[in-house]
Amino acid sequence: GAGVSQSPSNKVTEKGKDVELRCDPISGHTALYWYRQRLGQGLEFLIYFQGNSAPDKSGLPSDRFSAERTGESVSTLTIQRTQQEDSAVYLCASNPSSDTQYFGPGTRLTVL
Amino acid sequence: GQQVMQIPQYQHVQEGEDFTTYCNSSTTLSNIQWYKQRPGGHPVFLIQLVKSGEVKKQKRLTFQFGEAKKNSSLHITATQTTDVGTYFCVRTSGTYKYIFGTGTRLKVLA
Repeated sequence: GAGVSQSPSNKVTEKGKDVELRCDPISGHTALYWYRQRLGQGLEFLIYFQGNSAPDKSGLPSDRFSAERTGESVSTLTIQRTQQEDSAVYLCASNPSSDTQYFGPGTRLTVL
Repeated sequence: GQQVMQIPQYQHVQEGEDFTTYCNSSTTLSNIQWYKQRPGGHPVFLIQLVKSGEVKKQKRLTFQFGEAKKNSSLHITATQTTDVGTYFCVRTSGTYKYIFGTGTRLKVLA
């Protein structure tokens, strides 16, 4: 595709349920990032992938959060036992060898 | 890495007025990037500054990197309603990590 895509665009879930968010980066982009953005706030770094490896998971807020990437392409961010504080927009970005990050449209997660 | 601070946090201007947002770091930056996020949208890359004292222009937008490479500014001349959004400066930490500033939310009143 022409840009980074994310699915679903919106997700409403009940507290305690697990959710899986998907990111399809731009083809050929080896680096992939996940960020969290709470309403009216800045972007909070979660995790970075180089290829299929995640050398930096330092931004993951708790062990309920995990992410994986396969085929140097699609990535999934999984949140287990969701809490209301997890409500936010989750943004994925990819970049090639240049410094420019290309962002997807995000997934808006609402935990009731 | 340390987050970069931006001021102001919010700015309301009348259409046609100028606008400036400032980005400050306590440490020397290797480079600084600027992104714009429209309401309900995602961040979009605007520009990257690398050299001390560098100034770059994009139409009505002027970006500047401080001589000491610890601060940066974005100036918009004669704002338009299309300029509405949040402007983020972004520093890199190490070879791959991007740290977003706190952002300045701009509202333009027609």
